[in-house]
Amino acid sequence: GENVEQHPSTLSVQEGDSAVIKCTYSDSASNYFPWYKQELGKRPQLIIDIRSNVGEKKDQRIAVTLNKTAKHFSLHITETQPEDSAVYFCAASIRVGSGNTGKLIFGQGTTLQVKP
Amino acid sequence: GAVVSQHPSWVICKSGTSVKIECRSLDFQATTMFWYRQFPKQSLMLMATSNEGSKATYEQGVEKDKFLINHASLTLSTLTVTSAHPEDSSFYICSALDRTNYGYTFGSGTRLTVV
Repeated sequence: GENVEQHPSTLSVQEGDSAVIKCTYSDSASNYFPWYKQELGKRPQLIIDIRSNVGEKKDQRIAVTLNKTAKHFSLHITETQPEDSAVYFCAASIRVGSGNTGKLIFGQGTTLQVKP
Repeated sequence: GAVVSQHPSWVICKSGTSVKIECRSLDFQATTMFWYRQFPKQSLMLMATSNEGSKATYEQGVEKDKFLINHASLTLSTLTVTSAHPEDSSFYICSALDRTNYGYTFGSGTRLTVV
């Protein structure tokens, strides 16, 4: 089955700096890669996602890049702010259909701390 | 947008009792529901996948007789933790797959504490 590895487990940056979180996946059939932000005791919130037919996607200060050949995708946050401090999870899934359930597998998570 | 209502948000139960958690999709048909468990400072671990009208598919290592999943309608899926023990204390979250837009909508989670 799919396995998603996420690094680093913790990341501390100064306000205004950039933060990069990296993930690798094992199943080459995976074609949907969302990123979530989770605050303590809350549900994961989708912040950006990318599908396998696209190499890069950007939404204001957040961008995601995908390298299908290397089975690697990354989250980039620019101009970080203290309110960006949270736990971030990457995930991967195979589009439902042809016997696939569409189950979403999560990486281990990255605790991002943005210091004022 | 799509909303999944999960109840209860927290529950404390005695060891040996059973607890039922409900997830209801409010404005779309959730043909597929995923159930996750999250221990403190850890990731969301997929427990099982349920499809409306059929038996759930459990991930390796998850006891199907302990974690009973029912998905009898397109808007309701339930997870029952049977004979709960303190080690079952965790944060349980459901996620519904909306096949019309291939989006995953998460419930708000249930904090289960077994004493």
